[in-house]
Amino acid sequence: DAKTTQPPSMDCAEGRAANLPCNHSTISGNEYVYWYRQIHSQGPQYIIHGLKNNETNEMASLIITEDRKSSTLILPHATLRDTAVYYCIVRVAQGAQKLVFGQGTRLTINP
Amino acid sequence: EAGVVQSPRYKIIEKKQPVAFWCNPISGHNTLYWYRQNLGQGPELLIRYENEEAVDDSQLPKDRFSAERLKGVDSTLKIQPAELGDSAVYLCASSLDPSRGPSYNEQFFGPGTRLTVL
Repeated sequence: DAKTTQPPSMDCAEGRAANLPCNHSTISGNEYVYWYRQIHSQGPQYIIHGLKNNETNEMASLIITEDRKSSTLILPHATLRDTAVYYCIVRVAQGAQKLVFGQGTRLTINP
Repeated sequence: EAGVVQSPRYKIIEKKQPVAFWCNPISGHNTLYWYRQNLGQGPELLIRYENEEAVDDSQLPKDRFSAERLKGVDSTLKIQPAELGDSAVYLCASSLDPSRGPSYNEQFFGPGTRLTVL
């Protein structure tokens, strides 16, 4: 079973920041938080991952709470192309662990 | 750099017929994964290869599913015979060398093969 809980759907206006929450209250000390997204008719795409510090890359920012029991993925200026299902996954970073996907959050960016 | 290539993109067959899916991972990636994604659900792992060795096939229904990864590069997933419940998207992914840490562990997915069993 997935170790994360996400809202099933969210809406966001184009150009605004999209903030996607994820709860992972049973995360272990050696597990990272990974985010993937899946655009319609495509395979999942890696976005970002982090352990305990906030992370930022060209796609998004990841904010992890101090107790590591929850996190938020931030898309700073959402575009229509960001409409997708977003998956929050916890896993150890080393070794070929399978990705355990939950239901994800279906994010719709509205014009 | 070319991504993970899968073929065919779509396949429609009648139940009890055989079907095969092909995957070409990113060049140099030693780990290959096959996932199945049912409608409205997240992908679920079927089998994982490290080079040519299947190291995790615990979720593969072995009575009808088989897979191979010849020479540790391309891989084929086969279903024989197909059942109605096998209708799903079959995704292939690869990663560079997960044993070396998080920078080498990112999984890259192909576009998938959508199978419809009638």
